[in-house]
Amino acid sequence: EEQLVESGGGLVQPGGSLRLSCAASGFTLSDHYMDWVRQAPGKGLEWVARSRNKANGYVSQYAASVQGRFIISRDVSRSSLYLQMNSLKIEDTAVYYCIRDEASLGAYDLWGQGTMVTVSS
Amino acid sequence: QSVLTQPPSVSAAPGQTVTISCSGRTSNVGDNFVSWYQQLPGTAPKLLIYDNYKRASGIPDRFSGSKSGTSATLGITGLQTGDEADYYCESWDNSLNAEVFGGGTKVTVL
Repeated sequence: EEQLVESGGGLVQPGGSLRLSCAASGFTLSDHYMDWVRQAPGKGLEWVARSRNKANGYVSQYAASVQGRFIISRDVSRSSLYLQMNSLKIEDTAVYYCIRDEASLGAYDLWGQGTMVTVSS
Repeated sequence: QSVLTQPPSVSAAPGQTVTISCSGRTSNVGDNFVSWYQQLPGTAPKLLIYDNYKRASGIPDRFSGSKSGTSATLGITGLQTGDEADYYCESWDNSLNAEVFGGGTKVTVL
């Protein structure tokens, strides 16, 4: 069964750092674009970052709101995707979803359950 | 303020039809495919429609998608109580070089 399981969320003070992990199973991580999307409490979805697949050199892309603060990466040997979040702001508070972007569909076909990040003093 | 514009809410009685609009620009909806996602309360979103009108695996034909110019539409026919959810449109934006979402539409079955 194909599955994504996020972990690493929690409470952090403004200016702090946190690293989210996403364990992928049932498919080959290197074959796919992988994204992080977040959802602030009671709000809509916001794209955060993308890691392109191996064929595209694992190139990273970021939303303007997190550029320079967040880093997306993957460890293919561990079949895991990561999001290193630095200089966190209160407005980064959200549920963070790890998502597979299926190239044949051009859409997000597999979502994790999400992990909550709360930035508060 | 979301890049793609959706109505905040729509409602209809069971068995009726609702449509949800998604308005964008040439740089996103106009030049790229649109996807639609359903988010049931307390759960992660699920893919409904991709490539403007194609249904994802297992999605009933009560759900349909279309696109014209810089606007897209999701239709739900034969509305059921289980369809109560938030619905989001999504597309790539060539100018922002980013994926963009609509603000979401809450569907209520009266």
